[in-house]
This record gives sequence, C-alpha cells and structure tokens, in this order.
Amino acid sequence: EDKVVQSPLSLVVHEGDTVTLNCSYEVTNFRSLLWYKQEKKAPTFLFMLTSSGIEKKSGRLSSILDKKELFSILNITATQTGDSAVYLCAVEAYGQNFVFGPGTRLSVLP
Amino acid sequence: DTGVSQDPRHKITKRGQNVTFRCDPISEHNRLYWYRQTLGQGPEFLTYFQNEAQLEKSRLLSDRFSAERPKGSFSTLEIQRTEQGDSAMYLCASSFFHSRETEAFFGQGTRLTVV
Repeated sequence: EDKVVQSPLSLVVHEGDTVTLNCSYEVTNFRSLLWYKQEKKAPTFLFMLTSSGIEKKSGRLSSILDKKELFSILNITATQTGDSAVYLCAVEAYGQNFVFGPGTRLSVLP
Repeated sequence: DTGVSQDPRHKITKRGQNVTFRCDPISEHNRLYWYRQTLGQGPEFLTYFQNEAQLEKSRLLSDRFSAERPKGSFSTLEIQRTEQGDSAMYLCASSFFHSRETEAFFGQGTRLTVV
C-alpha cells in the first residue's frame, strides 16, 4: 500500500531560525511529489517535484527530491511567524490519486 | 473567483440525516478529488473522477458515501445516515491531468459536524 511519512510531526522554532521538514514515501509508479501549506482551511500549493536533485525555490522556501532514497525535504530559512502552518507532503502515482502524509505542524514564535 | 469552490462551507446535521456537498472545480480541470480531513491528520483520500468517470474509490469508504460527477464538471458527495464519526472537513481538489506533471488545487472545504 502506498505510504507517505513526514517528520517531525511537530516543530517549534523562533523567528529567524532555519527549519528542514522531511517527507519519505513508498509508492509504486511514482509520478510526482508535492508540498502544500495548510493554515486554517484549504491546503495551498507550494512545490511540485518530479526529478531528483533539482532544487525548487520560492523566496525563503526551497525543496529537493531524491528518487533513489525516496524522500524530499522542504527548507524554510529565516522563518517568520507567518510561516506557522501545517506542511503537507503528497505523492502522486501514475493513474492514481494523491496520497498525503500526516503533515508537520510548524509553530514560529516571535 | 476561478478557484475550486465548495458549498456549503459549514454543515451541522443530526445523526441519521443525509447530507450532500457540492464541489465546482477549476473549469478546465478534468480530474476532481474528494478528501476527508480530521483534526491533526493529513487529508485522507475518498474518491476521484476523470471527467465523469469515477476512477477510484477508497476501501475505507463505506456504502453510505456516494459521489457523482454527472457531466464531468461539478461533483456532489452524499453521505447517508450520518454518524458522529463522519464529522470532519471534506475537501475537494481539481487538477488538469495530462502527460506531464499534475498539481491539485484545493477548495476551502466543507466542515461537517454531526450531532
């Protein structure tokens, strides 16, 4: 059965810290891995990764995928209180739906 | 607003009643997904459609749940004889599936409370 695991499940940091969130997966016929940020309501899309070793960047956020070791990381540098959210990792397999991990709850303290 | 929209945003119902939720996807998207999310958990897959065809249904979905997408546009999710354990946020997402990578965009969700 397809599975997505995220760690840590919860993280508390202070503003300005750098954090690394982890996502590992077991899925047959991997197609893509996606990161979402969820604050109060719907998850909002951050990144889609399909190839190993190519870093995707958006401002202070960046992510990379390792298809050999079956994991991805999401980095956030110089964290701000507005980064407080649940970060969800999802994996899509060919011809199938998206499988989500449990999320990492990030709290950034002022 | 050209995003995914869901209606209603909140629903409170008595145990045993039937409820129906609606999702309007982004107009050019051919795939539509339903997920359920409870507090502290990631979204849990329920079912998805490509156009009007229901391609997959979660094994966890009991026969009280049914979803339709009759014209390949909007979709409805019905829960019959609701139970307290059905209380959750029901999320709809849509994507344009083609030969390259696909990203799914979510609606704001319908929060169901069964009392």
